[in-house]
Amino acid sequence: EAGVVQSPRYKIIEKKQPVAFWCNPISGHNTLYWYLQNLGQGPELLIRYENEEAVDDSQLPKDRFSAERLKGVDSTLKIQPAELGDSAVYLCASSLDVGETQYFGPGTRLLVL
Amino acid sequence: RKEVEQDPGPFNVPEGATVAFNCTYSNSASQSFFWYRQDCRKEPKLLMSVYSSGNEDGRFTAQLNRASQYISLLIRDSKLSDSATYLCVALRNTGKLIFGQGTTLQVKP
Repeated sequence: EAGVVQSPRYKIIEKKQPVAFWCNPISGHNTLYWYLQNLGQGPELLIRYENEEAVDDSQLPKDRFSAERLKGVDSTLKIQPAELGDSAVYLCASSLDVGETQYFGPGTRLLVL
Repeated sequence: RKEVEQDPGPFNVPEGATVAFNCTYSNSASQSFFWYRQDCRKEPKLLMSVYSSGNEDGRFTAQLNRASQYISLLIRDSKLSDSATYLCVALRNTGKLIFGQGTTLQVKP
């Protein structure tokens, strides 16, 4: 069975440019998560979706970050405009339902110059 | 103060050694706990759940002390392949996972 798929794996952009990350969760998983992981730190939740509904986006910087999961399957996370401090790994995870084991994708490593 | 705290290490141990990692959490409403393993430049993967009664999976033993809000992971007979970062994780009753910053283990030949 395929795991969580993310693309791109790596992205280098200049500050003030927009960037988008894509995630396809494990088939049948209703809950999807976007995490941010800075170097030397654990992942921090940005947003959680239950099907197509965002149910926890309190950590998402809404002035520049947006996310969508229109059909309750795959999801896109966007940053516009990117800042130097956004350089990090963006991880997507999915689980059957809330509270079930979360499976992580390989992440997108973003470098903002 | 972080909700889940770990000593970042690194812990440098020889092959065959026994090593223990500790973790403390501050939110008493956390309902479940886990250890995740993260290899360099890879994604976190669930290693094991942690129960008050203690649980063992091969060379790995995890223990939860709710009274002290303390979690531990013991690795016996360390292998080179155990080298990784070990993340202590608490699950809030809202379904949100809170990760510690991770403890780095380096097993040397």
